[in-house]
Amino acid sequence: DQQVKQNSPSLSVQEGRISILNCDYTNSMFDYFLWYKKYPAEGPTFLISISSIKDKNEDGRFTVFLNKSAKHLSLHIVPSQPGDSAVYFCAASAGGNTGKLIFGQGTTLQVKP
Amino acid sequence: NAGVTQTPKFQVLKTGQSMTLQCAQDMNHEYMSWYRQDPGMGLRLIHYSVGAGITDQGEVPNGYNVSRSTTEDFPLRLLSAAPSQTSVYFCASQSGAANYGYTFGSGTRLTVV
Repeated sequence: DQQVKQNSPSLSVQEGRISILNCDYTNSMFDYFLWYKKYPAEGPTFLISISSIKDKNEDGRFTVFLNKSAKHLSLHIVPSQPGDSAVYFCAASAGGNTGKLIFGQGTTLQVKP
Repeated sequence: NAGVTQTPKFQVLKTGQSMTLQCAQDMNHEYMSWYRQDPGMGLRLIHYSVGAGITDQGEVPNGYNVSRSTTEDFPLRLLSAAPSQTSVYFCASQSGAANYGYTFGSGTRLTVV
């Protein structure tokens, strides 16, 4: 039972345009969400997080939106750069920061020059 | 700072053999976790710990043991390796503070033949 789902395995965008990566979850107890970026042969690196008490969090080119009623979150990257090409994972935890973080399957983003 | 160090980086095991994947962090983080990454499955939580002496099961704990005798170390033991355990394994740590993402190691690529 996949509690965190990223239904798009891949996404391709032009440099300078917006990249939108989507994530859905099924567990209504999730209240803390994170996005990670992963390059080949490296570990994931933390990008941005959002608490369920917010609906938006912004950090530079990266913005995460949370729609609790739809159990949906998205990561916007504006403007997209070739260096953003990587696999992006969303993750969630329930009951605050409990140490138990559940990840989605990942979306491979390719930003074309 | 070294961050999260995983050893070995690569390992080939025969079915039925046992081994320990090592993970050490030098950031005095309370939380540590083990994940495995498989194609199309994303990152799946194996075991996690919220402090020395405290461990709990994640999504896919069968076939793996952990212990946390010190804050710094969180080894993952494969009791009797099976081909289904062929995967890339990631260790991660986090301070336990809110809105603070996990720091991942660079991974161990394990092949069981």
